[in-house]
Amino acid sequence: KQEVTQIPAALSVPEGENLVLNCSFTDSAIYNLQWFRQDPGKGLTSLLLIQSSQREQTSGRLNASLDKSSGRSTLYIAASQPGDSATYLCAVRPWTGTYKYIFGTGTRLKVLA
Amino acid sequence: DTAVSQTPKYLVTQMGNDKSIKCEQNLGHDTMYWYKQDSKKFLKIMFSYNNKELIINETVPNRFSPKSPDKAHLNLHINSLELGDSAVYFCASSQDTAERTGELFFGEGSRLTVL
Repeated sequence: KQEVTQIPAALSVPEGENLVLNCSFTDSAIYNLQWFRQDPGKGLTSLLLIQSSQREQTSGRLNASLDKSSGRSTLYIAASQPGDSATYLCAVRPWTGTYKYIFGTGTRLKVLA
Repeated sequence: DTAVSQTPKYLVTQMGNDKSIKCEQNLGHDTMYWYKQDSKKFLKIMFSYNNKELIINETVPNRFSPKSPDKAHLNLHINSLELGDSAVYFCASSQDTAERTGELFFGEGSRLTVL
């Protein structure tokens, strides 16, 4: 059974720092992995989608990597800003039960001005 | 234009009542989902529909009945509401293509409070 874990659960950093959020999954048989951002009281916004054949994806200050063999993905945020404060969630889509994304527990990020 | 829209955004009701949440997507996707986010913010899949057909029913009580009248709509009806049903319910959609396997797009959520 696929399980997804995110570490740390919460993170507080000063503005300008580069930071890494981690996502681990127990079964490497996945179609893709997606990173989301959730602001309080809001829905989830897709940040990056990495297909199983890809190693990384980049969008602006965000870079996500995928290592299926070790069951890990990282989300790198460069030069963090207060506007980056949110909860970040990763989700994997397994090969079996394909119409089913399994979410991690989330990392609550606070960037201090 | 909102890609995935849910109504209502807030719902406060008494135990035992029946309520519905509606979802519509204008992305042309063929797969739609309902997710439940509990008080600890953990997201868990409830149902997924592909081309109006139920694909996944993740051991949800049969008080919850999804209905997909067409590919663009997926509604959720809940009978005999219980306190434990209080949560935020999210609708989402995705589409598989030759280049990409389905990126998920979410609605804003419907916060249900059962008193």
